[in-house]
Amino acid sequence: EAGVVQSPRYKIIEKKQPVAFWCNPISGHNTLYWYLQNLGQGPELLIRYENEEAVDDSQLPKDRFSAERLKGVDSTLKIQPAELGDSAVYLCASSLGNYNEQFFGPGTRLTVL
Amino acid sequence: AQRVTQPEKLLSVFKGAPVELKCNYSYSGSPELFWYVQYSRQRLQLLLRHISRESIKGFTADLNKGETSFHLKKPFAQEEDSAMYYCALIYNTDKLIFGTGTRLQVFP
Repeated sequence: EAGVVQSPRYKIIEKKQPVAFWCNPISGHNTLYWYLQNLGQGPELLIRYENEEAVDDSQLPKDRFSAERLKGVDSTLKIQPAELGDSAVYLCASSLGNYNEQFFGPGTRLTVL
Repeated sequence: AQRVTQPEKLLSVFKGAPVELKCNYSYSGSPELFWYVQYSRQRLQLLLRHISRESIKGFTADLNKGETSFHLKKPFAQEEDSAMYYCALIYNTDKLIFGTGTRLQVFP
């Protein structure tokens, strides 16, 4: 079992460029989460999906961030345009939902120059 | 508002010494708390949850509702315990809030 898979692992872009992150959850996990982790901080939830429905996106900056989970499996998180302050680690996690353990991917480290 | 506080950014101990990583929370409902750990070059993973009341890798954590604390303890630290530890609170069924984390360094 590979666990939660994320790609790319690292991404360096210039400000104002678009960027996308991909996540493949553990098979059978209907709940998928995207977290943002700034340096020296704990992860902060950006969006949570139940199957293909975004059930909590209150923390997602919708002016530049978007996410989708087509067919309720893989998910993509996009930033357009990226800003310097978006430099962080973006974590994807999945679970069976409702208080079940969340399993985290290795994260994508984004650097915006 | 819900909040998790880990007052120590870094905790350094020698091998064999007792360890206590502090965690305090703010939540008006019935809390469910977790400790997550991230070893060097590994992904974030669940260490233990209070509802399980179990000891994992020698670590225990007791929920103290009076003091709103969920401190992580181990009587004898090992070098392999060196890692980043995050306390987390879950609310609204599935919303997880993390503390800022404590880096534990265990010296030989």
